[in-house]
Amino acid sequence: EIVLTQSPATLSLSPGERATLSCRASQSVSGYLAWYQQKPGQAPRLLIYDASNRATGIPARFSGSGSGTDFTLTISSLEPEDFAVYHCQQRLNWPLTFGGGTKVEI
Amino acid sequence: EVQLVESGGGLVQPGGSLRLSCVTSGFTFSSYWMSWVRQAPGKGLEWVATIKQDGSDKYYVDSVRGRFTISRDVAKNSLYLQVNGLRVEDTAVYYCARGKPTYFDNWGKGTLVTVSS
Repeated sequence: EIVLTQSPATLSLSPGERATLSCRASQSVSGYLAWYQQKPGQAPRLLIYDASNRATGIPARFSGSGSGTDFTLTISSLEPEDFAVYHCQQRLNWPLTFGGGTKVEI
Repeated sequence: EVQLVESGGGLVQPGGSLRLSCVTSGFTFSSYWMSWVRQAPGKGLEWVATIKQDGSDKYYVDSVRGRFTISRDVAKNSLYLQVNGLRVEDTAVYYCARGKPTYFDNWGKGTLVTVSS
């Protein structure tokens, strides 16, 4: 099973600041990594797939990078609605696995 | 507009069973892989099961294999999860998700399954 480790667990920032979230895989997942945003009481929303492709309707301030075992989600300038939990997920191998999440808080 | 609406959750005793349903609309259901993902209270996301477009292949996380069964009914645009032998650790919100094909690009709001005596 591929284990995904997200860091930091919590990121405290202010609106307008840049957020950099990390997801590290226990073995290479090539580029098969996605990022999701989840707000309290809501279902997750797909932001990025295949490491760097924005999903439909996702603002350009969200970007993804990385390959192999190290991936980054960057939010270039935080908007108030971006404060949420972010999850990464790999789809290279079964079982599909998620990271533990990073909470971006004010 | 893509919509996925889950139902069937509830309070059940350990060892009990439920059938979760997900009715979909707004897309061609038969063209997509579909999955169930769960989230225990205050915890992260856990993939549970996936079924291919034609139902020919099904995949499960080890912790539910043999107890849970994923299925789909194209005529009803619906996805199902039969959950048997429920354990306390199966307590979670269960989300239905559309596959891309094994990323999840649309999610329902979820249905809560609580396993407790």
